[in-house]
Amino acid sequence: SYVLTQPPSVSVAPGQTARITCGGNNIGSKTVHWYQQRPGQAPVLVVYDDVDRPSGIPDRFSGFNSANTATLTITRVEAGDEADYYCQVWDTSSEHVVFGTGTQVTVL
Amino acid sequence: QLQLQESGPGLVKPSETLSLTCTLSGASITNTTFYWGWIRQPPGKGLEWIGSIYYTEKTYYNTSLKSRLTLSRDTSKNQFSLTLRSVTASDTAVYYCASVRGSFRRIDNWGQGTLVTVSS
Repeated sequence: SYVLTQPPSVSVAPGQTARITCGGNNIGSKTVHWYQQRPGQAPVLVVYDDVDRPSGIPDRFSGFNSANTATLTITRVEAGDEADYYCQVWDTSSEHVVFGTGTQVTVL
Repeated sequence: QLQLQESGPGLVKPSETLSLTCTLSGASITNTTFYWGWIRQPPGKGLEWIGSIYYTEKTYYNTSLKSRLTLSRDTSKNQFSLTLRSVTASDTAVYYCASVRGSFRRIDNWGQGTLVTVSS
């Protein structure tokens, strides 16, 4: 089955840039979505189709996908960005939704 | 605005059956735009996809759960349901229902989640 690997944690100072990676075999050939999950809450879609943002998501959130790594970038990080972040793809060969292992973002 | 709400027992005994229902508002269960999905999250762990059902009743199941899992829908009640048989403690999790959209299956809307504990 297809596996998506994320770093367990990322720490960033307020106002700086956080980059969260999602590694998978030739993930660049797939379409990646990203979710933010604050403690005790349901996940929220923040980036879809590699680079698009749902309405209401600030442009500080951006995505990129190429080769074996997809990246979610959060610029001008705020305290409210502290959360777990998950990448996700649809694996057509297995017809499975696949989630990444998740990354906890800590704002210092 | 599409909203989803999970309902069902919060406690299930080992070896018994876990049954949850998701009630939709703001969209019809027969809307061809969406698949209707279930995702779970064990305490302190990551997200696990359970499966999804389309308006045609075509189902997609996580291979690891397929032998114990049934997804169904009720158009008269605008609901879809999950049944997981022979549960063990490892099935303890927050269960989310969700709307899933598009060829690349993005999850647009999530229910608030419901904690199901498997314990005697």
